[in-house]
Amino acid sequence: GENVEQHPSTLSVQEGDSAVIKCTYSDSASNYFPWYKQELGKRPQLIIDIRSNVGEKKDQRIAVTLNKTAKHFSLHITETQPEDSAVYFCAASIAGGSYIPTFGRGTSLIVHP
Amino acid sequence: SAVISQKPSRDICQRGTSLTIQCQVDSQVTMMFWYRQQPGQSLTLIATANQGSEATYESGFVIDKFPISRPNLTFSTLTVSNMSPEDSSIYLCSVDDRGTEAFFGQGTRLTVV
Repeated sequence: GENVEQHPSTLSVQEGDSAVIKCTYSDSASNYFPWYKQELGKRPQLIIDIRSNVGEKKDQRIAVTLNKTAKHFSLHITETQPEDSAVYFCAASIAGGSYIPTFGRGTSLIVHP
Repeated sequence: SAVISQKPSRDICQRGTSLTIQCQVDSQVTMMFWYRQQPGQSLTLIATANQGSEATYESGFVIDKFPISRPNLTFSTLTVSNMSPEDSSIYLCSVDDRGTEAFFGQGTRLTVV
C-alpha cells in the first residue's frame, strides 16, 4: 500500500518568514495530493491540493509543488502569520477511484510574532 | 462540499463501558471512514464504513472492539467497546468524494477514566 513520509515534525519560524513542509510517497499510481490544516481543537480542513498533471499550484501565500519522478511534494507558505500556526497534514490518493487517502504524520508549524 | 455533524463532541467514560459516536452527512456519500487521532499524532484509519455490508477494518483494529454501522448513505456509527484508558483519543468520521477531498466531522474527544 501507499506510504507517505512527512518532514519536519515540528517547524518554528518567525512571523514573515517562509515555511516549507515536505512529503514523499511510495505508490506511483497516486495522482492526487491534498494538504490539510488542523488548528488546535478543530477538524482538519483542506487548504490546497495538486494533481499529478500539474507541477505547481499557488493560492495567495500558499503553494504546493510536485515532483512525480522523485515522488515528493511540498507545501510552501510565504510571509507567515501567527494564524498560520497549526498542524499540517499531507496526503496521497488516487482521484476518481476508491483508493483511501494516506496521510503523513503531520507537521506542527509555530509562527512566532 | 459535504457538511458532517458528529456527536458527541466529547465524553468522559468509565473503563469497561462502551460509547457510540454518530456521524451524519448532509448528502449521500459512497465512502465514510473512521479515524483515530491520538494527541499530537496523525490520523490513523480505523475502518471504512460500507453501506449494506460489514465495515472493512485496518490492521490492528477489530470489529469486536470497534463495531461500525452504516444503515444508509448519510449516516454511520462507531462504537468503542469495553473501553480502557488507552482508548482515550479523538475519533473523527470522514467522507471522501471519489478519492479527492476528505471532509471531516468535528471529532469526538474521548477520555476514559
